[in-house]
Amino acid sequence: DAGVIQSPRHEVTEMGQEVTLRCKPISGHDYLFWYRQTMMRGLELLIYFNNNVPIDDSGMPEDRFSAKMPNASFSTLKIQPSEPRDSAVYFCASSSDGSEQYFGPGTRLTVT
Amino acid sequence: GNSVTQMEGPVTLSEEAFLTINCTYTATGYPSLFWYVQYPGEGLQLLLKATKADDKGSNKGFEATYRKETTSFHLEKGSVQVSDSAVYFCALSDRPLTGNQFYFGTGTSLTVIP
Repeated sequence: DAGVIQSPRHEVTEMGQEVTLRCKPISGHDYLFWYRQTMMRGLELLIYFNNNVPIDDSGMPEDRFSAKMPNASFSTLKIQPSEPRDSAVYFCASSSDGSEQYFGPGTRLTVT
Repeated sequence: GNSVTQMEGPVTLSEEAFLTINCTYTATGYPSLFWYVQYPGEGLQLLLKATKADDKGSNKGFEATYRKETTSFHLEKGSVQVSDSAVYFCALSDRPLTGNQFYFGTGTSLTVIP
């Protein structure tokens, strides 16, 4: 299995631009998670899906952030408009039972 | 509510030293407990897990025992290697009636020097 796939691996954008991060979970996993990691705040759960349905989005920082899962093999996290404080590493993870999670390599986002 | 508290780092040890990273948790139900490891520039990887009280998770020489009486899940290794240098995260997964809940500790950075 290829594991969780994220793209792009690195993204540099200017403040105010739209950013879209992509994730392909492990086939057969029904849960998908989006995390943000920074030095200041550590690892934060932003949102998770079960069977493509958003279950808990209480970690989404504000309306500029949105996440979708149109099918079982694809999810996006969008930031519009982006701000410098959004600079972080964003991880996607998937799970077959909602317990043990498998993480992708992350997307390092830099907003200038 | 649920939470995970792990010891602050960074931790620096000499090769072959004994490692303990403390983790305690608060949970309303019967959670599963995990240790994840993050090597530089990579995502988190599951290191070991335990799903019920008194279970011992083990992998790559690391061990942790699920202690319900002390609500702890401390990570131990008898002899660390330079390649163990990484950040270690304690985590909890719970399934109360209100739906799945997931909590990660703040991470403990370990550096092993030759």
